[in-house]
Amino acid sequence: GENVEQHPSTLSVQEGDSAVIKCTYSDSASNYFPWYKQELGKRPQLIIDIRSNVGEKKDQRIAVTLNKTAKHFSLHITETQPEDSAVYFCAASYAGSQGNLIFGKGTKLSVKP
Amino acid sequence: NAGVMQNPRHLVRRRGQEARLRCSPMKGHSHVYWYRQLPEEGLKFMVYLQKENIIDESGMPKERFSAEFPKEGPSILRIQQVVRGDSAAYFCASSPAPRSTGGFGSPLHFGNGTRLTVT
Repeated sequence: GENVEQHPSTLSVQEGDSAVIKCTYSDSASNYFPWYKQELGKRPQLIIDIRSNVGEKKDQRIAVTLNKTAKHFSLHITETQPEDSAVYFCAASYAGSQGNLIFGKGTKLSVKP
Repeated sequence: NAGVMQNPRHLVRRRGQEARLRCSPMKGHSHVYWYRQLPEEGLKFMVYLQKENIIDESGMPKERFSAEFPKEGPSILRIQQVVRGDSAAYFCASSPAPRSTGGFGSPLHFGNGTRLTVT
């Protein structure tokens, strides 16, 4: 089955700096890679996703890159703001799983004003 | 368009009692997933269901846990004879049918979760 590793587990940055979170996956059949943001006591919310037929996707201050050969993908947040502070989860899904997502263990991001 | 609805938001049970958690998927979604989240930890897959059919229950404990998604009504996650280790947040998510996304996986839309406390 699929296994997703996520690093770092905690990340602290100054407001305005960039933050990068990295994930690796094990199953080369995985074809969909979403990122979720979870604030304390709330539900995970999708912030960006990428399919395996694309190498990079950007949405304002957030971007995701995918390297299929190396089986890793990364989340990039630029010009960080205090409201970006949350736990971020990467996930991977493959067609054989019929949609089930396997999640990384999460990265707790703290943005200091 | 209502999102994924879960109830109750908080549930307190004594050891040995039963817990029933309910989930109604987003309109138009036919697939339901249950995840468990322990404090300070990630989301652990439990079970994946379609209407009247369990697709994948590889993450479900072998005993005391069961799930259903009947033809009518919400999906139910049932935990019998709860123990303190069952205390966690249980999240339900839904998605459209996989074949509607061209063979790719699709985003899961999560409910607000049920926080189960076993005393």
